Amino acid sequence: KAGVTQTPRYLIKTRGQQVTLSCSPISGHRSVSWYQQTPGQGLQFLFEYFSETQRNKGNFPGRFSGRQFSNSRSEMNVSTLELGDSALYLCASSTGEGSPLHFGNGTRLTVT
Amino acid sequence: EDKVVQSPLSLVVHEGDTVTLNCSYEVTNFRSLLWYKQEKKAPTFLFMLTSSGIEKKSGRLSSILDKKELFSILNITATQTGDSAVYLCAVGSGGSNYKLTFGKGTLLTVNP
Repeated sequence: KAGVTQTPRYLIKTRGQQVTLSCSPISGHRSVSWYQQTPGQGLQFLFEYFSETQRNKGNFPGRFSGRQFSNSRSEMNVSTLELGDSALYLCASSTGEGSPLHFGNGTRLTVT
Repeated sequence: EDKVVQSPLSLVVHEGDTVTLNCSYEVTNFRSLLWYKQEKKAPTFLFMLTSSGIEKKSGRLSSILDKKELFSILNITATQTGDSAVYLCAVGSGGSNYKLTFGKGTLLTVNP
Protein backbone atom coordinates (compact mmCIF):
# COMPACT_ATOMS: atom_id res chain seq x y z
CA LYS A 1 0.00 0.00 0.00
CA ALA A 2 1.42 3.38 -0.96
CA GLY A 3 2.08 5.78 1.89
CA VAL A 4 1.08 9.40 2.26
CA THR A 5 2.47 11.44 -0.63
CA GLN A 6 3.23 15.12 -0.38
CA THR A 7 4.23 17.43 -3.20
CA PRO A 8 6.36 19.32 -3.77
CA ARG A 9 9.20 18.20 -1.51
CA TYR A 10 10.85 21.62 -1.43
CA LEU A 11 9.64 25.15 -2.10
CA ILE A 12 11.34 28.51 -1.98
CA LYS A 13 9.09 31.56 -2.02
CA THR A 14 9.46 35.25 -1.24
CA ARG A 15 7.51 37.25 1.30
CA GLY A 16 4.05 38.24 0.17
CA GLN A 17 3.63 35.34 -2.25
CA GLN A 18 1.20 32.51 -1.76
CA VAL A 19 1.78 28.76 -1.90
CA THR A 20 -0.27 25.60 -2.31
CA LEU A 21 0.86 22.26 -0.93
CA SER A 22 -0.67 18.95 -1.89
CA CYS A 23 -1.25 15.70 -0.02
CA SER A 24 -2.50 12.31 -1.19
CA PRO A 25 -3.50 10.09 1.72
CA ILE A 26 -3.16 6.35 2.05
CA SER A 27 -5.85 4.61 0.02
CA GLY A 28 -8.97 4.19 2.13
CA HIS A 29 -8.04 6.89 4.63
CA ARG A 30 -10.66 9.61 4.80
CA SER A 31 -9.09 11.85 7.43
CA VAL A 32 -6.26 14.21 6.51
CA SER A 33 -4.48 16.44 9.02
CA TRP A 34 -1.86 19.11 8.47
CA TYR A 35 0.94 20.07 10.86
CA GLN A 36 3.64 22.72 10.83
CA GLN A 37 7.00 21.64 12.26
CA THR A 38 9.69 24.14 13.31
CA PRO A 39 12.73 23.65 15.54
CA GLY A 40 11.41 26.02 18.19
CA GLN A 41 7.74 25.03 18.33
CA GLY A 42 7.77 21.38 17.35
CA LEU A 43 4.73 19.95 15.59
CA GLN A 44 1.74 22.28 15.64
CA PHE A 45 -1.71 21.31 14.43
CA LEU A 46 -3.10 23.32 11.53
CA PHE A 47 -6.38 21.59 10.59
CA GLU A 48 -8.07 18.29 9.94
CA TYR A 49 -10.43 17.30 7.16
CA PHE A 50 -12.77 14.34 6.98
CA SER A 51 -15.00 13.63 4.02
CA GLU A 52 -14.37 17.09 2.56
CA THR A 53 -15.33 18.89 5.80
CA GLN A 54 -12.97 20.72 8.10
CA ARG A 55 -13.50 18.99 11.41
CA ASN A 56 -10.97 20.83 13.56
CA LYS A 57 -8.66 23.82 13.31
CA GLY A 58 -5.56 24.91 15.21
CA ASN A 59 -4.51 28.37 16.28
CA PHE A 60 -3.16 29.70 13.03
CA PRO A 61 -4.13 32.93 11.24
CA GLY A 62 -6.64 32.95 8.41
CA ARG A 63 -3.79 33.09 5.88
CA PHE A 64 -3.60 29.32 6.37
CA SER A 65 -6.42 27.46 4.71
CA GLY A 66 -7.10 24.06 3.32
CA ARG A 67 -9.56 21.85 1.55
CA GLN A 68 -10.23 18.22 0.85
CA PHE A 69 -11.54 16.74 -2.36
CA SER A 70 -13.98 13.89 -2.86
CA ASN A 71 -11.07 11.45 -3.44
CA SER A 72 -9.67 12.46 0.02
CA ARG A 73 -6.71 14.30 -1.48
CA SER A 74 -6.06 17.56 0.34
CA GLU A 75 -4.43 20.88 -0.36
CA MET A 76 -3.16 23.52 1.99
CA ASN A 77 -2.76 27.14 1.00
CA VAL A 78 -0.77 29.88 2.68
CA SER A 79 -1.30 33.42 1.43
CA THR A 80 0.80 36.54 1.99
CA LEU A 81 3.80 34.51 3.11
CA GLU A 82 5.91 35.72 6.02
CA LEU A 83 9.47 34.75 6.96
CA GLY A 84 8.09 32.93 10.01
CA ASP A 85 6.14 30.56 7.76
CA SER A 86 9.39 28.80 6.87
CA ALA A 87 8.90 25.28 8.17
CA LEU A 88 8.36 21.64 7.35
CA TYR A 89 4.68 21.08 6.57
CA LEU A 90 3.56 17.56 7.32
CA CYS A 91 0.39 15.92 6.15
CA ALA A 92 -0.96 12.83 7.88
CA SER A 93 -3.85 10.53 7.10
CA SER A 94 -5.84 8.09 9.17
CA THR A 95 -8.94 5.95 8.92
CA GLY A 96 -10.74 8.27 11.31
CA GLU A 97 -10.86 9.94 14.66
CA GLY A 98 -8.71 8.31 17.29
CA SER A 99 -6.76 6.17 14.81
CA PRO A 100 -2.99 6.57 14.50
CA LEU A 101 -1.81 9.17 12.02
CA HIS A 102 0.46 8.11 9.17
CA PHE A 103 2.68 10.93 8.00
CA GLY A 104 4.06 11.92 4.64
CA ASN A 105 7.65 13.08 4.17
CA GLY A 106 6.60 16.70 4.25
CA THR A 107 7.12 19.82 2.18
CA ARG A 108 10.03 22.01 3.24
CA LEU A 109 8.97 25.63 2.68
CA THR A 110 11.55 28.39 2.80
CA VAL A 111 10.37 31.99 2.68
CA THR A 112 13.01 34.61 1.81
CA GLU B 1 -4.68 24.75 26.81
CA ASP B 2 -3.55 21.16 26.24
CA LYS B 3 0.08 20.53 27.10
CA VAL B 4 2.50 17.66 26.40
CA VAL B 5 6.00 17.79 27.89
CA GLN B 6 8.78 15.41 27.00
CA SER B 7 12.02 14.86 28.86
CA PRO B 8 14.88 14.85 28.45
CA LEU B 9 15.10 17.12 25.40
CA SER B 10 18.18 15.26 24.25
CA LEU B 11 20.14 12.22 25.27
CA VAL B 12 23.45 10.69 24.14
CA VAL B 13 24.15 7.03 24.91
CA HIS B 14 26.40 4.22 23.76
CA GLU B 15 25.26 1.20 21.83
CA GLY B 16 23.89 -1.44 24.15
CA ASP B 17 22.61 1.02 26.75
CA THR B 18 19.00 1.09 27.89
CA VAL B 19 17.13 4.39 27.72
CA THR B 20 13.87 5.68 29.17
CA LEU B 21 12.06 8.60 27.57
CA ASN B 22 9.35 10.46 29.45
CA CYS B 23 6.13 12.12 28.42
CA SER B 24 3.77 13.96 30.75
CA TYR B 25 0.53 15.63 29.75
CA GLU B 26 -2.29 17.90 30.80
CA VAL B 27 -5.24 17.70 28.44
CA THR B 28 -9.00 17.93 28.58
CA ASN B 29 -10.83 14.70 27.86
CA PHE B 30 -7.89 12.34 27.31
CA ARG B 31 -8.46 9.72 24.62
CA SER B 32 -5.05 8.19 23.77
CA LEU B 33 -1.27 8.63 23.86
CA LEU B 34 0.90 7.86 20.86
CA TRP B 35 4.64 7.53 20.32
CA TYR B 36 6.35 8.30 17.03
CA LYS B 37 9.94 8.02 15.80
CA GLN B 38 11.20 10.73 13.44
CA GLU B 39 14.47 10.32 11.61
CA LYS B 40 15.03 12.68 8.73
CA LYS B 41 11.53 12.96 7.41
CA ALA B 42 8.14 11.47 8.24
CA PRO B 43 7.38 10.54 11.84
CA THR B 44 6.64 6.81 11.94
CA PHE B 45 4.07 5.37 14.30
CA LEU B 46 5.34 3.21 17.17
CA PHE B 47 2.60 2.70 19.77
CA MET B 48 -0.84 3.86 20.79
CA LEU B 49 -1.86 3.50 24.44
CA THR B 50 -5.31 4.03 25.86
CA SER B 51 -5.34 2.00 29.07
CA SER B 52 -3.24 2.41 32.19
CA GLY B 53 -0.76 -0.23 33.18
CA ILE B 54 -0.82 -2.29 30.01
CA GLU B 55 2.60 -2.48 28.40
CA LYS B 56 2.89 -2.34 24.65
CA LYS B 57 5.98 -4.04 23.25
CA SER B 58 7.64 -4.25 19.88
CA GLY B 59 11.05 -5.86 19.81
CA ARG B 60 13.41 -3.80 21.95
CA LEU B 61 10.87 -0.99 22.40
CA SER B 62 8.16 -0.91 25.02
CA SER B 63 5.83 1.68 26.45
CA ILE B 64 3.40 2.05 29.31
CA LEU B 65 0.82 4.61 30.31
CA ASP B 66 -0.18 5.88 33.76
CA LYS B 67 -3.48 7.74 33.46
CA LYS B 68 -3.59 8.56 37.15
CA GLU B 69 -0.21 10.31 37.17
CA LEU B 70 -0.67 11.55 33.57
CA PHE B 71 2.53 10.25 32.02
CA SER B 72 3.99 7.62 29.77
CA ILE B 73 7.46 6.19 29.30
CA LEU B 74 9.12 4.71 26.25
CA ASN B 75 11.90 2.21 26.94
CA ILE B 76 14.50 1.12 24.44
CA THR B 77 16.78 -1.74 25.48
CA ALA B 78 20.11 -2.74 23.89
CA THR B 79 20.16 0.47 21.84
CA GLN B 80 21.61 0.48 18.33
CA THR B 81 22.87 3.34 16.18
CA GLY B 82 19.72 2.96 14.08
CA ASP B 83 17.67 4.03 17.09
CA SER B 84 19.11 7.53 16.76
CA ALA B 85 16.13 9.78 16.06
CA VAL B 86 13.70 12.24 17.58
CA TYR B 87 11.01 10.45 19.58
CA LEU B 88 7.70 12.29 19.67
CA CYS B 89 4.90 11.83 22.13
CA ALA B 90 1.38 12.91 21.15
CA VAL B 91 -1.84 12.96 23.15
CA GLY B 92 -5.26 12.62 21.57
CA SER B 93 -7.99 14.54 23.36
CA GLY B 94 -11.41 16.08 22.94
CA GLY B 95 -14.86 14.85 22.08
CA SER B 96 -16.31 15.98 18.78
CA ASN B 97 -13.24 18.18 18.28
CA TYR B 98 -10.67 15.41 18.69
CA LYS B 99 -7.08 16.53 18.09
CA LEU B 100 -3.52 15.37 18.65
CA THR B 101 -1.13 17.56 20.65
CA PHE B 102 2.56 16.79 20.22
CA GLY B 103 5.42 17.28 22.61
CA LYS B 104 8.64 18.84 21.31
CA GLY B 105 10.38 15.50 21.21
CA THR B 106 13.47 13.86 22.67
CA LEU B 107 16.54 13.72 20.44
CA LEU B 108 18.27 10.39 21.04
CA THR B 109 21.81 9.88 19.75
CA VAL B 110 23.29 6.40 20.01
CA ASN B 111 27.06 6.30 19.52
CA PRO B 112 28.88 3.15 18.44
